[in-house]
Amino acid sequence: AAGVIQSPRHLIKEKRETATLKCYPIPRHDTVYWYQQGPGQDPQFLISFYEKMQSDKGSIPDRFSAQQFSDYHSELNMSSLELGDSALYFCASRIGLDEQYFGPGTRLTVT
Amino acid sequence: AQSVTQPDIHITVSEGASLELRCNYSYGATPYLFWYVQSPGQGLQLLLKYFSGDTLVQGIKGFEAEFKRSQSSFNLRKPSVHWSDAAEYFCAVALRSNDYKLSFGAGTTVTVRA
Repeated sequence: AAGVIQSPRHLIKEKRETATLKCYPIPRHDTVYWYQQGPGQDPQFLISFYEKMQSDKGSIPDRFSAQQFSDYHSELNMSSLELGDSALYFCASRIGLDEQYFGPGTRLTVT
Repeated sequence: AQSVTQPDIHITVSEGASLELRCNYSYGATPYLFWYVQSPGQGLQLLLKYFSGDTLVQGIKGFEAEFKRSQSSFNLRKPSVHWSDAAEYFCAVALRSNDYKLSFGAGTTVTVRA
């Protein structure tokens, strides 16, 4: 069965650089979520999209933005990167009253 | 305030022994409840979920969880632990009113000794 795809899997950036993380949800899933998991932390909700519209927003810095495209894939754009942005970034997708299916995550390291 | 609490930060258990991980939630309505497992540096794998119905839920890898409304709890259990069960375990909740976004507990690290 198709799963959630995230790319890249690993990313190394320097401070003040920008990064773009991509998420390809399971086909026909209409909702996408982004979570950030810092070292030794639990995942924290960043933002979600339903049918290409932002549906909810969590503790996402103003330096971050995200969108969902017509093909339902989503991108998380991160600018002016800081050391504290180093984390695992998970994308998850869902349809209807069902569980969220998580991707493998993107490990971002900011040096 | 809404919260998910996992009281145990770290549990050590002998291989073959039973395991119970605690999870309590504080929400106005009964949320949807989940348990996830995560190996170091890896993704989140869903062990089981509770939406409604039978309060004893069976999951993968021999895990089960029991929803107790009166105690606002959703504890995870396994009768006999294997060394491969060593991992981080997260309890999570979701509400329809919050667009089903997941709120996670702080996690419990399980160490299995031979």
